[in-house]
Amino acid sequence: EADIYQTPRYLVIGTGKKITLECSQTMGHDKMYWYQQDPGMELHLIHYSYGVNSTEKGDLSSESTVSRIRTEHFPLTLESARPSHTSQYLCASTRMGNTEAFFGQGTRLTVV
Amino acid sequence: QKEVEQDPGPLSVPEGAIVSLNCTYSNSAFQYFMWYRQYSRKGPELLMYTYSSGNKEDGRFTAQVDKSSKYISLFIRDSQPSDSATYLCAMSNEKLTFGTGTRLTIIP
Repeated sequence: EADIYQTPRYLVIGTGKKITLECSQTMGHDKMYWYQQDPGMELHLIHYSYGVNSTEKGDLSSESTVSRIRTEHFPLTLESARPSHTSQYLCASTRMGNTEAFFGQGTRLTVV
Repeated sequence: QKEVEQDPGPLSVPEGAIVSLNCTYSNSAFQYFMWYRQYSRKGPELLMYTYSSGNKEDGRFTAQVDKSSKYISLFIRDSQPSDSATYLCAMSNEKLTFGTGTRLTIIP
């Protein structure tokens, strides 16, 4: 059982609102990732981090930002949500060396 | 060309059949190979993990890696309706790269 948690599981919010998606892991993993996935579609990497104070943009351009102040915590923020941000957001973590990645259950975001 | 290619399917097979899911890759630096299962509206769940050529078996699942051909497979024996899901291959060296996923349906 993977110890990585995402909150909220579901979020419906109005256009222009600021939102933060939470991701926490208790496995002590250094690397953490955010993926965006539309229904039935592939995973797209939007952000990753190799450790505290390390953040990098992924393959898919995203208007979201991330921070990594603590090893176990990797929140994603959208300053002004838009309907185009509607998607599922998945957080994952791995040990250094990129072996098994463990995923959270995801946050399904709907912007109306 | 993508580093990892995976047939998106969909693939439908009758219950009890042997299922073969495959991925090819172009980056010879990949050292670790994984298979994930993703049910609808859930996060991917790690099924199998291997780092060498050859076969690895876990219950009804067998992961096969052929580094010389840059080809990996996942076999599911005695397939069950509960195996219906999207299966993603993943590979890593310094960077974790996923296939697009194959949508599998097991027909009772």
